[in-house]
Amino acid sequence: GAVVSQHPSWVICKSGTSVKIECRSLDFQATTMFWYRQFPKQSLMLMATSNEGSKATYEQGVEKDKFLINHASLTLSTLTVTSAHPEDSSFYICSALAGGPADTQYFGPGTRLTVL
Amino acid sequence: DAKTTQPNSMESNEEEPVHLPCNHSTISGTDYIHWYRQLPSQGPEYVIHGLTSNVNNRMASLAIAEDRKSSTLILHRATLRDAAVYYCILRLPSNTGKLIFGQGTTLQVKP
Repeated sequence: GAVVSQHPSWVICKSGTSVKIECRSLDFQATTMFWYRQFPKQSLMLMATSNEGSKATYEQGVEKDKFLINHASLTLSTLTVTSAHPEDSSFYICSALAGGPADTQYFGPGTRLTVL
Repeated sequence: DAKTTQPNSMESNEEEPVHLPCNHSTISGTDYIHWYRQLPSQGPEYVIHGLTSNVNNRMASLAIAEDRKSSTLILHRATLRDAAVYYCILRLPSNTGKLIFGQGTTLQVKP
């Protein structure tokens, strides 16, 4: 099956610093990737759609200047949380679109971000 | 967007079949029905998808009602490792592949 990796799996940082999270599709190319965040005991919330070679499309209420997304290749998308604050602490999950008529998405294992 | 309705939680005994229901009465003719599950502290895992016909794979079976207004995910023999949140999601062809997650069904499996 299709495999998506994320790095790092967890990160702890100080308030005010920036954190970059990588999402890679390991055995397929993905022109479209997605970024989600998930707070404890809640469902996944879609943050943005990342398209290779173009600007990301952000969901309503998601600050594009705070959550920078770059999709420079068909196998890599990055999410940078700029000037992180404790309220940004969350579980960040990416997915990659495998294509086909059903457009199945394959998810990464997630990155736990803790901002002190 | 067409919505899905799932029970908040279900319980099952180990090695027994589990039927997870999903209602999607406003489904359109081109919507695929996707099921994902999420184990604790992990990203969601693709389980199965279908359009009109029932589907089987190594993980589960998907039974789709004839009018497509509901579907059922069937785990044939539940194991403790199947304890997870199961999400039934309609894949809308018009929204560039986005998946909108609801609250899902939390499945508990008792030994």
